[in-house]
Amino acid sequence: AQSVTQPDIHITVSEGASLELRCNYSYGATPYLFWYVQSPGQGLQLLLKYFSGDTLVQGIKGFEAEFKRSQSSFNLRKPSVHWSDAAEYFCAVGADSGAGSYQLTFGKGTKLSVIP
Amino acid sequence: DTEVTQTPKHLVMGMTNKKSLKCEQHMGHRAMYWYKQKAKKPPELMFVYSYEKLSINESVPSRFSPECPNSSLLNLHLHALQPEDSALYLCASSLVPSSYEQYFGPGTRLTVT
Repeated sequence: AQSVTQPDIHITVSEGASLELRCNYSYGATPYLFWYVQSPGQGLQLLLKYFSGDTLVQGIKGFEAEFKRSQSSFNLRKPSVHWSDAAEYFCAVGADSGAGSYQLTFGKGTKLSVIP
Repeated sequence: DTEVTQTPKHLVMGMTNKKSLKCEQHMGHRAMYWYKQKAKKPPELMFVYSYEKLSINESVPSRFSPECPNSSLLNLHLHALQPEDSALYLCASSLVPSSYEQYFGPGTRLTVT
C-alpha cells in the first residue's frame, strides 16, 4: 500500500527566507504526486502536481517541487517566503488501491509559520 | 473555472437533528468525493462517487448517507450524529477517478451538540 511521510510537523521561517518542505512516499509504481496548501478553516488548494516527464515542476504562488525517484522524495520549495504563505501543507500520492479504487493518500501535513 | 462550492459554510446541529450538506461543481467532473477532516489532521476519505454511482464507502457509519442526484451535485445527509462527528467536511471532484487531481471546496464546519 502507498504511504506518504512528511517528517516535519512544524517549520518556522523568516519572511524572505527560502523554504523547503520534505515529502517522502512509498509506492511500487510511478506515483502521481501532489502538494496542497490549506489555510485555517479553508479547503485544500492544489499547488502543483507531478505525473511524468520533467522532474522539476512549477506551481502556483511561486512554488516548485522536484521529484527524485532514487530518494522517493517530492520536496516543495520556494525561494522567498511571504507572510501569506503561512498555512498547512499536505503532500499526497495518487494510487490505485485495487479494483479501480483510485485514491489520494495524504501525509500528516507540515504547518508553516512565517516570522515577519 | 476550477471551483467547487459547498453549503452551508457552518452548521450546528443536535444529535437528534437531520441535516444535509451540499456540494456542487460545474467543471464536468465525473468523480466526486466526501472527506472528513479533524483539527491538525489530513483529510480522511469517506465516500467516492464515480459517474454518479457510489464506488467507495470507507466503512462510514450509516448516520452519514451520501447522495449524487446528478453529475454536478453531491449531498451528504446527516442523522443522529455524535459529538465526535464534529469536523470540517470537505467535498472534492476530479475529471475522472483515475485522474487523481482533485479540486476541493472550502468545506462545511460541522458542530454536533
